[in-house]
Parts: sequence; structure tokens; C-alpha cells
Amino acid sequence: GDSVTQMEGPVTLSEEAFLTINCTYTATGYPSLFWYVQYPGEGLQLLLKATKADDKGSNKGFEATYRKETTSFHLEKGSVQVSDSAVYFCALGGATNKLIFGTGTLLAVQP
Amino acid sequence: GAGVSQSPSNKVTEKGKDVELRCDPISGHTALYWYRQSLGQGLEFLIYFQGNSAPDKSGLPNDRFSAERPEGSFSTLEIQRTEQGDSAMYLCASSKRQDRANSPLHFGNGTRLTVT
Repeated sequence: GDSVTQMEGPVTLSEEAFLTINCTYTATGYPSLFWYVQYPGEGLQLLLKATKADDKGSNKGFEATYRKETTSFHLEKGSVQVSDSAVYFCALGGATNKLIFGTGTLLAVQP
Repeated sequence: GAGVSQSPSNKVTEKGKDVELRCDPISGHTALYWYRQSLGQGLEFLIYFQGNSAPDKSGLPNDRFSAERPEGSFSTLEIQRTEQGDSAMYLCASSKRQDRANSPLHFGNGTRLTVT
């Protein structure tokens, strides 16, 4: 069945460091891909999405490119801030009507 | 505007008791989803509603779990004869329509269930 694998955390970075959180997927067909973020004490919210191969989703300085050849959707940000500290979830939306999530990656950014 | 509201935010219950969790979606959102998040696990899909019907119940773990959305607005998730393994964060999400690519899911803050 469809599945998502993302790198385990926690990821600890200093402010202004470069961020990569790896995400790979297994799916039949052509899923849409998402990154959701959960800030401390808040619900999950959509960070960015890509609906087809080679699409790049971007928001708040974060980017992820839908790579069909490597079945990946890695999240990147050039310069992280303390306020980016959160749990990040990669997800795919396949042929059925539900999102399939990865296990989440905790990012801690230190000043 | 109001987001997805879940109640209670925390629930502690004894093993064997029944519990009911409530979700109020964003007004006008026809699609409603329940997920479960256990410690160290990703979000596990439980059930999906479109209006007042549930086209996909495939994620409900066993027959102790059930959910309703009688009027197509709020939803309740009931767990009967709770077990310690049911302890988790239960998340509800809603969206304007079924097409996730064009209508993202909006999540509530969840109900943390602890079974002692």
C-alpha cells in the first residue's frame, strides 16, 4: 500500500543554518504531496504542496520539489529561524480520499 | 473565523469505560476526517465523512471504535471498553470538499486520551 518515510528527528540546528528534511514515498498512481507543520501547542497546518511531478511547492521560505524519479519530496529552507521550531510531517494524497502521513520530524532551532 | 474545534482537549478514563470525543468542523466544510497519533507514530487514518455518510471506514482498528456525523456537521468518535493501547492523540480535520489537492485539510488541536 501507499506509504511515506521521513527522516527521524530530532533535528537540531543553529539559527540561519540550512535545513533539509528527507521524505520518500511509495504510491500507486500519481499522488499529491504535502508538508504539514505543527507548532508547539497548535494544530497541524498545511505548509506547502505539489500536485504533480516536477512541481515545486513553496511557502514561508520553505521549498519542496516533487521528484517522481526518486519518489522524494524533501523539505528545504536556506536559513532557519527559532520560530521554525516545530514538528514537520510529510504526507501523500493518493487515489483514495485520505492523506497518508509520515511519522513526523521534530526541528529545534537554537539562537 | 473559528477553526476546527475538538472537545475535550484532554480525557483520562479507566480501562473498560466508554468515551466519546467530539469534533466541530469549520462551517461549510463537507469533508471530515478522524486521525489517531500515538507516541512516535505518524498520523493514522481512522475514518472519513462526506456530509453525513462515511465512504471510508477502513482505518477503524476494531469494532470498539465507531463514529457518527448525523447532521453532516459535528462528528463524534466513540471508543467502547477502552484499553490502554487506545491512549493517543485523536485529531479531527475538515476540508471544503473531497479533493485534497485543491482543498487542504484543516486540523483541530486534538483530544489527548489517556486510558489508565
